[in-house]
Amino acid sequence: RKEVEQDPGPFNVPEGATVAFNCTYSNSASQSFFWYRQDCRKEPKLLMSVYSSGNEDGRFTAQLNRASQYISLLIRDSKLSDSATYLCVVNAGGTSYGKLTFGQGTILTVHP
Amino acid sequence: ETGVTQSPTHLIKTRGQQVTLRCSSQSGHNTVSWYQQALGQGPQFIFQYYREEENGRGNFPPRFSGLQFPNYSSELNVNALELDDSALYLCASSEPGLGSADTQYFGPGTRLTVL
Repeated sequence: RKEVEQDPGPFNVPEGATVAFNCTYSNSASQSFFWYRQDCRKEPKLLMSVYSSGNEDGRFTAQLNRASQYISLLIRDSKLSDSATYLCVVNAGGTSYGKLTFGQGTILTVHP
Repeated sequence: ETGVTQSPTHLIKTRGQQVTLRCSSQSGHNTVSWYQQALGQGPQFIFQYYREEENGRGNFPPRFSGLQFPNYSSELNVNALELDDSALYLCASSEPGLGSADTQYFGPGTRLTVL
């Protein structure tokens, strides 16, 4: 079983749609959780951290369920510029060091 | 931009050769991590350096080695290159603090092709 698993995708949605990505992780000792965005042939960029209480940043909402070891990202009112690969990321290193473990990524294409 | 720089941007090598990739961390960041990203996959953790010491390693063979310098810049060395080493190599720097994981800032990467 992979340490971090994401929806295989790809997702192809029209502008204005709401899209949700899901992710599960296997290491119950994981400490920190993130969503990164990666544009084609570019480096990953932090989209948002994910907290147990849930957090929102504009059109983006992230949720964490530690009991189910499940992370989600909701994008509302999709824009063309949201087209990218979304990476679910877990710090599997505990407090000893920051080993980020990435899912394989889910490709999102938003079309007019 | 994150302020993390990497060189070179692209590199072509042949099997069996050795390569050195370089990374300059964001100002004030003392922790550098290296990742390998194969095509169509998420990045895989290679190792992390904190204050010039290796501070954690992923499932990569010993022919992958690294250094961190007093100015916190870092090198990734790969010996005896194999075809499967072809990938995007990413460097990420973190804010001060032992093992600080949050907010790792990635450089643009070095794309290595092994022929």
